[in-house]
Amino acid sequence: GAGVSQSPSNKVTEKGKDVELRCDPISGHTALYWYRQSLGQGLEFLIYFQGNSAPDKSGLPSDRFSAERTGGSVSTLTIQRTQQEDSAVYLCASSSVSGNTIYFGEGSWLTVV
Amino acid sequence: DQQVKQNSPSLSVQEGRISILNCDYTNSMFDYFLWYKKYPAEGPTFLISISSIKDKNEDGRFTVFLNKSAKHLSLHIVPSQPGDSAVYFCAASTEGSNYKLTFGKGTLLTVNP
Repeated sequence: GAGVSQSPSNKVTEKGKDVELRCDPISGHTALYWYRQSLGQGLEFLIYFQGNSAPDKSGLPSDRFSAERTGGSVSTLTIQRTQQEDSAVYLCASSSVSGNTIYFGEGSWLTVV
Repeated sequence: DQQVKQNSPSLSVQEGRISILNCDYTNSMFDYFLWYKKYPAEGPTFLISISSIKDKNEDGRFTVFLNKSAKHLSLHIVPSQPGDSAVYFCAASTEGSNYKLTFGKGTLLTVNP
């Protein structure tokens, strides 16, 4: 597809389980971002990848969160030992260069019960 | 501590009238500001932006005004249309970290026919 693709679109998991969220950026985009939006909150920056540079992980809320970007394209956000406060929409975005217009995917809705 | 604030969670206007969405920020290092629009179950889409060297940017029915001394920006939509009904997010970034957007909590705009 032409846009940023995320999967799964919805995920319900039990507290303590690990989850993986996948993002397929727009083809050719070198910059990839993860944000999350908790209920009633604005979007919160999590992590940023740009080409082969070291990612900016400064927004990850705890060491239970990690992300990879393989081959400069697809990215996976992993949350280990999920907690209820992790429930949120996780949004992936990409852009052709850093700081250029960012295109968001539809998000992965995560519910931890 | 919220660095970008949208104090009105919702706004309702009549079709054809002006919609004014407001945003305040506290970080004087912010030098680039954006507005995103979000429909339910979709990712945010970029609407319009403004650099701190300007005080106004216009794109069709949308105009963003920036008052640096007041640390305030606003989005004007004229004339408002029912299709403009969505959540509008204000976002800001700093030079050197222009990939890291700080978002407000959003304002739900409803345009009534």
